[in-house]
Amino acid sequence: EVQLVESGGGLVKPGGSLRLSCAASGFTFSSYSMNWVRQAPGKGLEWVSTISSSGYIHYADSVKGRFTISRDNAKNSLYLQMNSLRAEDTAVYYCARVRYSSSPSQSDPWGQGTLVTVSS
Amino acid sequence: QSVLTQPPSASGTPGQRVNISCSGTSSNIGTNDVNWYKQLSGAAPKLLVYNNYLRPSGVPDRFSGSRSGTSASLAISGLQSEDEADYYCAAWDDSLNGVVFGGGTRLTVL
Repeated sequence: EVQLVESGGGLVKPGGSLRLSCAASGFTFSSYSMNWVRQAPGKGLEWVSTISSSGYIHYADSVKGRFTISRDNAKNSLYLQMNSLRAEDTAVYYCARVRYSSSPSQSDPWGQGTLVTVSS
Repeated sequence: QSVLTQPPSASGTPGQRVNISCSGTSSNIGTNDVNWYKQLSGAAPKLLVYNNYLRPSGVPDRFSGSRSGTSASLAISGLQSEDEADYYCAAWDDSLNGVVFGGGTRLTVL
């Protein structure tokens, strides 16, 4: 069974940093592109970043220069380093696998999410 | 303001057919496939339709998608109480070089 489990969320002050992790299992992690997608409280979905199986990376303009996506295929793990956090970064952050050889807009499945709260 | 435009709400009675629209531009829906997600309250989203009209294994054929020009649509027939959820469309945007989502449509089964 494919499983994605996020961790690392929590409360952080504006300007602070946080590193999210996503542990993957049940599939050949190195063969798939991976996404981070977030959802602010009571709001819709917002794509954050994609990393391909070969390491090619895309970021949303809203996080470019502040967030860094990375992966460790040996550990079957996906990461999101978040720096210079702002109140508007408060959201549930989901890790999601991109369907094999498909557009990053096809996420399946998703993890359960981890909540990041940026507040003083 | 989302790049893709969806109606904020939709409703229907059990057994009815409901359509949810998703409007975009030439840089997203006009050139790239559309995907639909279903999100139950308090849960993670789930892929419902991909490549405009294909369904992942396990998704009932009551759900169908279509795309024409710069718009797409999700149809749900034989509406059931468990269909009450938020629905999102998504596509790749060639201008933004990223994934864009619709603002979501909350479906209520009356």
